[in-house]
Amino acid sequence: EVQLVESGGGLVKPGGSLRLSCAASGFTFSTYSMDWVRQAPGKGLEWVSSISSTSSYMFYADSVKGRFTISRDNAKNSLFLQMNSLRDEDTAVYYCARESSGANWYFDLWGRGTLVTVSS
Amino acid sequence: QSALTQPRSVSGSPGQSVTISCTGTSSDVGGYNYVSWYQQHPGKAPKLIIYDVSKRPSGVPDRFSGSKSGNTASLTISGLQAEDETDYYCCSYAGTYPYVFGTGTKVTVL
Repeated sequence: EVQLVESGGGLVKPGGSLRLSCAASGFTFSTYSMDWVRQAPGKGLEWVSSISSTSSYMFYADSVKGRFTISRDNAKNSLFLQMNSLRDEDTAVYYCARESSGANWYFDLWGRGTLVTVSS
Repeated sequence: QSALTQPRSVSGSPGQSVTISCTGTSSDVGGYNYVSWYQQHPGKAPKLIIYDVSKRPSGVPDRFSGSKSGNTASLTISGLQAEDETDYYCCSYAGTYPYVFGTGTKVTVL
């Protein structure tokens, strides 16, 4: 089955760190660019970060630049998001999303998300 | 990196049509034909329903359609059904960043 499964969310204090993982299955993970998208409680979707298929390119939203690091392990079909210096406003459900193949710019596969709560 | 502007809510009776607008700038919506739309039911992951402004993925009913004029994209739901009542988000390629989402619209079926 083609799917993405996120893990690693939880409760963390402001200033703390957390590492999210996304396990991919059912498709050739190494050929797709991957992204993290988040959604604060009761709010809209916010793009967080992208990584190209070979990790050659990484992009970040201004709101997380310098604090979050995206990475991947193609041998293990896994995507990661290292989150440091967490703030209250980082509280959200974090979704792993696959970018469509080719020169396309949309997300054709999403995980169910993992909740990150930043609170003292 | 400002979010694209969508109406907070739209509503219509079953069988009617509703249109959701998505307004950006020449750096995102107006600059590329890479607008996508996502449907999100409460507590669920978003689902792609339109890509490249007006294309529908396999399995998406043809009552969902997309268009664009200048810096504004639109999603039209024709023949509104009860199961269409949920949240919808637009998204555009934005070059450097490279994605920006809309503020989201709740569709209510009266």
